[in-house]
Order: sequence, then structure tokens, then C-alpha cells
Amino acid sequence: GNSVTQMEGPVTLSEEAFLTINCTYTATGYPSLFWYVQYPGEGLQLLLKATKADDKGSNKGFEATYRKETTSFHLEKGSVQVSDSAVYFCALSRKAAGNKLTFGGGTRVLVKP
Amino acid sequence: NAGVTQTPKFQVLKTGQSMTLQCAQDMNHEYMSWYRQDPGMGLRLIHYSVGAGITDQGEVPNGYNVSRSTTEDFPLRLLSAAPSQTSVYFCASSPSHSEPGNTIYFGEGSWLTVV
Repeated sequence: GNSVTQMEGPVTLSEEAFLTINCTYTATGYPSLFWYVQYPGEGLQLLLKATKADDKGSNKGFEATYRKETTSFHLEKGSVQVSDSAVYFCALSRKAAGNKLTFGGGTRVLVKP
Repeated sequence: NAGVTQTPKFQVLKTGQSMTLQCAQDMNHEYMSWYRQDPGMGLRLIHYSVGAGITDQGEVPNGYNVSRSTTEDFPLRLLSAAPSQTSVYFCASSPSHSEPGNTIYFGEGSWLTVV
């Protein structure tokens, strides 16, 4: 079946540091890949997505590239801010499975001033 | 912009009680779903619906019931609450279940504690 594995947190960084959160997946065919972000006390918001191999999703300074050869979709940001403190979820969906989302376990990121 | 609205936001239940979590969306979305979020496990799909009158089970359906009588509403019923159902519940919707890469929109969550 489909699965998503992402690095466990918490990840603690200083402001302006470089952030990488690793995400790898297992799925048949060509899934769409997503990063969702959950700020404290809130629901999930779509951060970025990519629907085919080599696509790069980007938003709010975050980027992730769909790598079919390594089945990965790592999230990166060059200079984090305190406001980036949140839980980040990697997820995939497949059209053949009705586009239901399969989530990784989430990575908590804490950015200190 | 209402989006996906869930109620209640917080609820404490006694074991064996029943209750309904309400979910409504005003975006005319075809697809609606319920997830539960537990520490370290991400979100897991409970039930979903691809249109009014159509529902199906997700990954963890036991102990929950759903119905979809209108496009807008998708309530989740806990039939006889158990402590294992203590969790945060998210309702979600998207325009279609068949278009690749469809964005799924989430409600703000309902924190449920079963004692």
C-alpha cells in the first residue's frame, strides 16, 4: 500500500537557519505529493504540492522537488523565521485511490529567536 | 470566507456516550472526508464521501458512522465513545476526488476527550 515516511522531530533551529525536512514515499504509479503545515491550535493548510516527477512546488520561501528516482519530496527553506514554528506533514494522493491523502507522521519545527 | 466549518471545537464525553461532530462546507465541493490525528501517526482517514448519498470507509472506520444527505454537510457520529477515540478530528473537503493533485481544505479541528 501507500506510505509516507518523514523525519521525526522536534527540529529546533535558530532564526535565519536553513531548514530541511526529509520525506520519502512508497506508492505505485505516479502519486501527487503535498506538504501541509499546521500552526498551533489550527487546522492543516496546504503549503505546496507537485503533481509529476521533477516538478518543484514553492510557497512562502519553502520549496520541495518531486524526485521519482529517489521517491522523495524533501522540504527546504533557506532562512527560517519564528513564525515558521509549526508541524509539517508530507502527504501523497493517487488518482486511482480516489485522491485520498496518505500522511506521514508529521515533523514539529521550533524556531528560536 | 467560511470554508470548512467544524463544531464543536472541544468536547468531553463519558465512555459509552454518543455524539455527532458537525462539518459543513460552503464551496460546493464534491469530496468530503474525516480524519483523526494522533501523536506521531499523522492523520488517518476515517470515512469519506464523493458526493451526496455516497459514503465509504477509510483506514480506521470502526466506531464511527457518517452520512451525506446534502453536498454541504458531512456529520461524523460516534456511536458509543471509547477512550481510544480521544483524538483531534479534522473534516476536509476538495472540489473533486478524480483530479490529480486536488487541494484538500481542512477545518480547524475538534478536540475530543473520552473519559
